[in-house]
Order: sequence, then structure tokens, then C-alpha cells
Amino acid sequence: DVKVTQSSRYLVKRTGEKVFLECVQDMDHENMFWYRQDPGLGLRLIYFSYDVKMKEKGDIPEGYSVSREKKERFSLILESASTNQTSMYLCASSLGSYTGELFFGEGSRLTVL
Amino acid sequence: AQSVTQLGSHVSVSEGALVLLRCNYSSSVPPYLFWYVQYPNQGLQLLLKYTTGATLVKGINGFEAEFKKSETSFHLTKPSAHMSDAAEYFCAVSGRGGADGLTFGKGTHLIIQP
Repeated sequence: DVKVTQSSRYLVKRTGEKVFLECVQDMDHENMFWYRQDPGLGLRLIYFSYDVKMKEKGDIPEGYSVSREKKERFSLILESASTNQTSMYLCASSLGSYTGELFFGEGSRLTVL
Repeated sequence: AQSVTQLGSHVSVSEGALVLLRCNYSSSVPPYLFWYVQYPNQGLQLLLKYTTGATLVKGINGFEAEFKKSETSFHLTKPSAHMSDAAEYFCAVSGRGGADGLTFGKGTHLIIQP
């Protein structure tokens, strides 16, 4: 079965801390994505990657960076967390095809105090 | 650029009644369209998708959607609502290739009244 695993379901951090959100997929997918979900705003794309060591900015990349050293792993990094980054973060992956179907992890709910 | 508009942030129906969740899209290329469902504290799960071919698409849990190009719509329906259908529903469009991800609507929270 398809599996996207996000290492932390719930995190509480303090303002200014560095935060790592990890995501692993076991489907040998080329593409991986980080979305942010906020009530009333839906899902917004932060960064995506279509190959190892490749990354592209999405719609809201400010305050975030990413790392993809291995095909199966895609990390989201908050260099200095701020309270406005309190949110649900969703990782997803897809095949390198035109259909675009995404497979999602269960999400990481981050609270920044 | 693509965009998705979901009409109604909250929709309430009685158990056993018809469910209709509305989605309109804009895309500069022929779209691929998706509906996802999200249960509380979970990720998104694919309900159904339209890529090419038949415009009426059937999905899981008795849901279906019809692609209407002339109306740029992809509304989601289910003939008879069940309590277990209570969830957040997202419509999404992909028009630029799978590597770029999907553009999502803001979501519709479906409430089922007993």
C-alpha cells in the first residue's frame, strides 16, 4: 500500500527555534511536496521537489527551506520559527506523470509559542 | 495559472439527503480535476479524479462528480448522506504536469444532521 510518513504528528516549539519536519515515502515517487493548511485558506504550496537535490519554490516559500538528499525523504526546515507559522503541515508525493495525483501523509501540527 | 473556487465553506445536510458540493475551476490548459476528503486530524485521501474520457466519474464511498467543460465545473455529489461522510472536502486542479503539484480550493466542511 502507498505510504507517506511524517515523523512528527504534533510539535510545540518556541519562537526563534529551528524546526525540522521530516517526510518519507516508500513508493519510489519522483515528486514530493510540502503544503501548509490553515482554516479558511485551504492548502498552499510551500516547496516542491521533482528530483534528488532539486527544489522549487511554491506559492508561500518565505520563512521556509527544504532538503532532499535522498529520493524517499523530503524535509521542511523553519530556520527561525515564528508564531505565524503555527499551522498544519502536509507532505505529499506523486509519480513523475501528468496525472498529478498526490498521496498525502497524515500531517504535522506545529504550534509556535 | 489555475485556480479553484469551492462555493460554501460549510454545507449542512440531513442524513439520507442528497449531498452536493460545488467546485468551479479555471485553467489555461485542459484540466485534470480531483476531489479529496480529509477526516479530523488526518491527511487527505483521494475520493475521485477526472483526467480524460468519461465526464461522469465515480469514486469511493458512493461519491461521484461530473466534469462540465462549458460550465468549468466539477461538482461532487452523493445520493444519500451518511453520518460517516462528515469531513472536509477539497477540490483541486492540475494543469501543468504532475511535478508542479495541485492547486486546491479552500475546502468545504460537510456537516451531517441526524
